[in-house]
Amino acid sequence: NAGVTQTPKFQVLKTGQSMTLQCAQDMNHEYMSWYRQDPGMGLRLIHYSVGAGITDQGEVPNGYNVSRSTTEDFPLRLLSAAPSQTSVYFCASSYSPAENTEAFFGQGTRLTVV
Amino acid sequence: GQSLEQPSEVTAVEGAIVQINCTYQTSGFYGLSWYQQHDGGAPTFLSYNALDGLEETGRFSSFLSRSDSYGYLLLQELQMKDSASYFCARTDSWGKFQFGAGTQVVVTP
Repeated sequence: NAGVTQTPKFQVLKTGQSMTLQCAQDMNHEYMSWYRQDPGMGLRLIHYSVGAGITDQGEVPNGYNVSRSTTEDFPLRLLSAAPSQTSVYFCASSYSPAENTEAFFGQGTRLTVV
Repeated sequence: GQSLEQPSEVTAVEGAIVQINCTYQTSGFYGLSWYQQHDGGAPTFLSYNALDGLEETGRFSSFLSRSDSYGYLLLQELQMKDSASYFCARTDSWGKFQFGAGTQVVVTP
């Protein structure tokens, strides 16, 4: 059972470049989220989805887009990378809060924007 | 700003008991979870409270008081491997999952 798979694990971008961070889960979870983690800031919610076709903004959505065309996949797009987006990115999935609120995390993507 | 508040660091000796407090915003609150994260790793689930009271899972226990908008994680019989960051996380009724800034627990011999 793969759980939550994130790719790539490491990435270096130049300012202005775009890229997509991939996230896939095989647990049939409805809820998926993207977070960024910076030193001393904890995990900050970027975007989240409560099911296929439904997405919403979190605390720090600017500069990022998401889509949820299938239950399994929830890619995060950086439209025009900036040094302020240098961070560790985590994808997570869970069942609905009414059933089970344990979130399962991918192993993270370490992104550096130069 | 943060929807949850928790201390930034706690230091304790092996074998001791540590309590990490967490206060949260009540709007749409559904439940409170706790996660552990070792350096360089992904957060892993420890415990969850949706109702008032204590949940015990081995050496770790979590408590919730909805009337006080407050919860805590209790780490007993501390071991060196418990040195990590601990996060409280708030689930709301719209499916949003938000984390506190984390508490760094340092266990000394």
